[in-house]
Amino acid sequence: EVQLVESGGGLVQPGRSLKLSCAASGFTFSDYNMAWVRQAPTKGLEWVASISYGGSNTHYGDSVKGRFTISRDNAKSTLYLQMDSLRSEDTATYYCAREATVAVFDYWGQGVMVTVSS
Amino acid sequence: DIVMTQTPSSQAVSAGEKVTMSCKSSQSLLYSENKKNYLAWYQQKPGQSPKLLISWASTRESGVPDRFIGSGSGTDFTLTISSVQAEDLAVYYCEQYYDTPYTFGAGTKLELK
Repeated sequence: EVQLVESGGGLVQPGRSLKLSCAASGFTFSDYNMAWVRQAPTKGLEWVASISYGGSNTHYGDSVKGRFTISRDNAKSTLYLQMDSLRSEDTATYYCAREATVAVFDYWGQGVMVTVSS
Repeated sequence: DIVMTQTPSSQAVSAGEKVTMSCKSSQSLLYSENKKNYLAWYQQKPGQSPKLLISWASTRESGVPDRFIGSGSGTDFTLTISSVQAEDLAVYYCEQYYDTPYTFGAGTKLELK
């Protein structure tokens, strides 16, 4: 059974950093591109970033480019999102998602909440 | 960026009704080389993560009931639920994966009449 379990969320002050993790199991992690998608409270879905199966290619949404870094450790079957210079508008539930094909998200984690507030 | 516009934003339905919802993109999602439309539909129930229903505009995921039907091409797409069940009450999102940044529509919320 495919499982994606996010961790690392919480309350953080504006301008500070936070690193999210997503532990994957139930499939060969190194065979799949992975992504982060977020959802602000009561809002819709926003793609944040994607990373290729080997980790060499990354893509970012305009609102996080230059501030967030997606990475992966295939030996640990873990996806990461380093979030720097956080803003109040980054407040959201962050989902880890597996890409069945490029940017088609066939499995999602349960999500982790990030709140940016002073 | 490709803008995805979903209508209606909400819809009140009764069990057994046929429901249609629209998704329009600001540019064509049809890739000429493979004749595929880069459009997916997701369902999100309250308090849950999104679930992939349909990819390539009309290809239903394994295990998705056949009452969910995706159609359309180019810039105009439709998700039809042929006979709505109580468990279908959710928000439905379309997503384009034709080009980065990948973008979602604002969603159509199905509510009980």
